[in-house]
Amino acid sequence: AQRVTQPEKLLSVFKGAPVELKCNYSYSGSPELFWYVQYSRQRLQLLLRHISRESIKGFTADLNKGETSFHLKKPFAQEEDSAMYYCALSGSARQLTFGSGTQLTVLP
Amino acid sequence: ETGVTQTPRHLVMGMTNKKSLKCEQHLGHNAMYWYKQSAKKPLELMFVYNFKEQTENNSVPSRFSPECPNSSHLFLHLHTLQPEDSALYLCASSQITGELFFGEGSRLTVL
Repeated sequence: AQRVTQPEKLLSVFKGAPVELKCNYSYSGSPELFWYVQYSRQRLQLLLRHISRESIKGFTADLNKGETSFHLKKPFAQEEDSAMYYCALSGSARQLTFGSGTQLTVLP
Repeated sequence: ETGVTQTPRHLVMGMTNKKSLKCEQHLGHNAMYWYKQSAKKPLELMFVYNFKEQTENNSVPSRFSPECPNSSHLFLHLHTLQPEDSALYLCASSQITGELFFGEGSRLTVL
């Protein structure tokens, strides 16, 4: 079975502060990990995936197989980063399993 | 209209009603999905269709009945629902191994 855990339901940081949204997964094979984001009144959309190894809107995420983690990081948070963030895992069946989400609020 | 479109955006129904949710994608994708998003639970995968064939039914009660007449359209037929079925129902599409593109969702309230 595959499982994704996001331990923080709510996270608040001040503008300009670093932010890290935690994601841990459980999967016996080689997973593909994603971060999806949902801004207020917008649809859920892909933020980044681990295989692309790119930085999107200043966010990065590194897959750590030893710790089975895929934490999302940004060195300097902006107010427009306030949103709901979902970590997701795709296993061999290519079906996405989502975590419960973390609501990030960036305070001015 | 581009992307993934869901109708209606909001639906209120009684427990004895029969209604349907519709999803349409204009992205040329081969796979379509129904997800349920409840207030206190993670996104739950309900159904998956690949090339119009259902490949996943995630232990969904039979009061939810999906239909995929072609690769661009996906329906979720609802009948004799329960109040706990009230949720946001999200449709998504993808190429078989690609990124999921989501619709804006249909907010369902069962009275």
